[in-house]
Amino acid sequence: NAGVTQTPKFQVLKTGQSMTLQCAQDMNHEYMSWYRQDPGMGLRLIHYSVGAGITDQGEVPNGYNVSRSTTEDFPLRLLSAAPSQTSVYFCASRNGRTYEQYFGPGTRLTVT
Amino acid sequence: AQSVTQLDSQVPVFEEAPVELRCNYSSSVSVYLFWYVQYPNQGLQLLLKYLSGSTLVKGINGFEAEFNKSQTSFHLRKPSVHISDTAEYFCAVSESNTGNQFYFGTGTSLTVIP
Repeated sequence: NAGVTQTPKFQVLKTGQSMTLQCAQDMNHEYMSWYRQDPGMGLRLIHYSVGAGITDQGEVPNGYNVSRSTTEDFPLRLLSAAPSQTSVYFCASRNGRTYEQYFGPGTRLTVT
Repeated sequence: AQSVTQLDSQVPVFEEAPVELRCNYSSSVSVYLFWYVQYPNQGLQLLLKYLSGSTLVKGINGFEAEFNKSQTSFHLRKPSVHISDTAEYFCAVSESNTGNQFYFGTGTSLTVIP
């Protein structure tokens, strides 16, 4: 039981490049989400999903896309990276009954 | 949208002393409340949660928190801290009618001094 896994751990992009951050969970949780963590700002919700095929926007969705084709996977796509997207990104899945969120180890992204 | 306020960005405390980390939220509707801990270069780990019932909730590592609806607060306490408690602590709120969006505070950095 690996919990929530994220790849890569570190990534450096140039402005304008695109990439996908991967997230997978093996707990059969319906709810998954993506957050970004910036110094002094806590965690902010980017997108979330309440099940396969269902996604919705959080507080800071601009510049990011998501899709949920399976219960296990919830990738986050940066379409055209900008320096403002330099951050640490966390994926989480949530137990629908207990509301406990389980976080992945994070991806540290730098956009130059 | 919710707002979650953690007034203390940094809290230094001596080992074996008590500590309280404060959290206030803005919602006037029914909420679920959470405290998470983050150790350096790691993800967040749930310390404790309030969904319903007793307003005093106990979590892992000897932490507890009290839900005060009239003051819209959910302060975290520990009677005697250890060096290993040095970490970043985040308060989070979710509205109970949907539970789909979680709002986090900006965090409190707890440093335990030997």
